[in-house]
Amino acid sequence: GAGVSQSPSNKVTEKGKDVELRCDPISGHTALYWYRQRLGQGLEFLIYFQGNSAPDKSGLPSDRFSAERTGESVSTLTIQRTQQEDSAVYLCASSPVGASSSTDTQYFGPGTRLTVL
Amino acid sequence: SQKIEQNSEALNIQEGKTATLTCNYTNYSPAYLQWYRQDPGRGPVFLLLIRENEKEKRKERLKVTFDTTLKQSLFHITASQPADSATYLCALDPVGGSASKIIFGSGTRLSIRP
Repeated sequence: GAGVSQSPSNKVTEKGKDVELRCDPISGHTALYWYRQRLGQGLEFLIYFQGNSAPDKSGLPSDRFSAERTGESVSTLTIQRTQQEDSAVYLCASSPVGASSSTDTQYFGPGTRLTVL
Repeated sequence: SQKIEQNSEALNIQEGKTATLTCNYTNYSPAYLQWYRQDPGRGPVFLLLIRENEKEKRKERLKVTFDTTLKQSLFHITASQPADSATYLCALDPVGGSASKIIFGSGTRLSIRP
């Protein structure tokens, strides 16, 4: 596709349930990033993939959060046993080169709005 | 502590005037700084990147300055238009020269009134 796509666009779930968020990066982009954005806040870095490996997972807030990437393409962010404080917009971005270029530009998807009741 | 600060209060500007947004940072030594635009319900869109050895960068009606002594970047929109209304985010690489983690400010909401 022409840009980064994310699904679902909206997800409402009950506390304690697991959710999976999907990101389809721009074809050929090596690097993929996940961010969380709470209402009225800036972007909070979660995890970065270079190819299928994740050299930087330092932003994942707890062990309930995990992410994987396969085929150097699609990535899924999984949140287990969701809590109300997990409610936020989850944004995915991809970039052509990643850490090998210090000025790589990120292209963002529209985000998934997660609401935990 | 390390932080990036953008004016959290909304900036209201009359159409045609120049809008100036500020991004200050402490305890980082970034190799570059980026500015993004974010519209409601959408992801950020990259606008400009300025490197530490560049004082100023221009793109159409946009101008960015980067003062590594003051640890500050200014983002200017000249001849502002209502379509420029959005939230503007600054971002930097916290360790200098690495794209593996970019730190974003919380953004400043800009409103251009006709």
